[in-house]
Amino acid sequence: DTEVTQTPKHLVMGMTNKKSLKCEQHMGHRAMYWYKQKAKKPPELMFVYSYEKLSINESVPSRFSPECPNSSLLNLHLHALQPEDSALYLCASSPDGETDTQYFGPGTRLTVL
Amino acid sequence: GESVGLHLPTLSVQEGDNSIINCAYSNSASDYFIWYKQESGKGPQFIIDIRSNMDKRQGQRVTVLLNKTVKHLSLQIAATQPGDSAVYFCAETPNDYKLSFGAGTTVTVRA
Repeated sequence: DTEVTQTPKHLVMGMTNKKSLKCEQHMGHRAMYWYKQKAKKPPELMFVYSYEKLSINESVPSRFSPECPNSSLLNLHLHALQPEDSALYLCASSPDGETDTQYFGPGTRLTVL
Repeated sequence: GESVGLHLPTLSVQEGDNSIINCAYSNSASDYFIWYKQESGKGPQFIIDIRSNMDKRQGQRVTVLLNKTVKHLSLQIAATQPGDSAVYFCAETPNDYKLSFGAGTTVTVRA
């Protein structure tokens, strides 16, 4: 298995909702990432987990809460989002973290009403 | 073929011609570089990579060139096909775990 999967593919939520994005990989990778991508822009790093520990938080607002239950799974919990948080949320993984290629999932298209 | 000397946000190329996409990177300490292709509605897809101890690497129909002196990276696509239409991002790795992406170039292939 050489892919990163993400669910759901699309998500529409209100500003008072709580939802979660899920990411899974079975490549044995030990680093996993969340990115946010706005239209016509490059991906922006949000969080990095290395060996199931949060190693980088790029000053992301607390309404985004990552979780890494095990080495194959990565979640992003969403609460009290704003309309400007609407974007494509991408998950990626890499074998380790030291200048490794990152492999991306297809993303979750999030719309906040 | 079509080429751009400086980074441009868009590139239109005739099917069958060669394409050259350019990218300037910023950090002299970066030692690993990647090109990604992103089709509409999909995540970035790895195309090819190169480490700083090399200046050229070839894949299937793609070649990456690295010029460390001027901090320039390019992606050459041979015999461009309609399926090559996408946004292409270069990325450098200034630190462990972090990818720093370029602005992206949208390639449109004309039939």
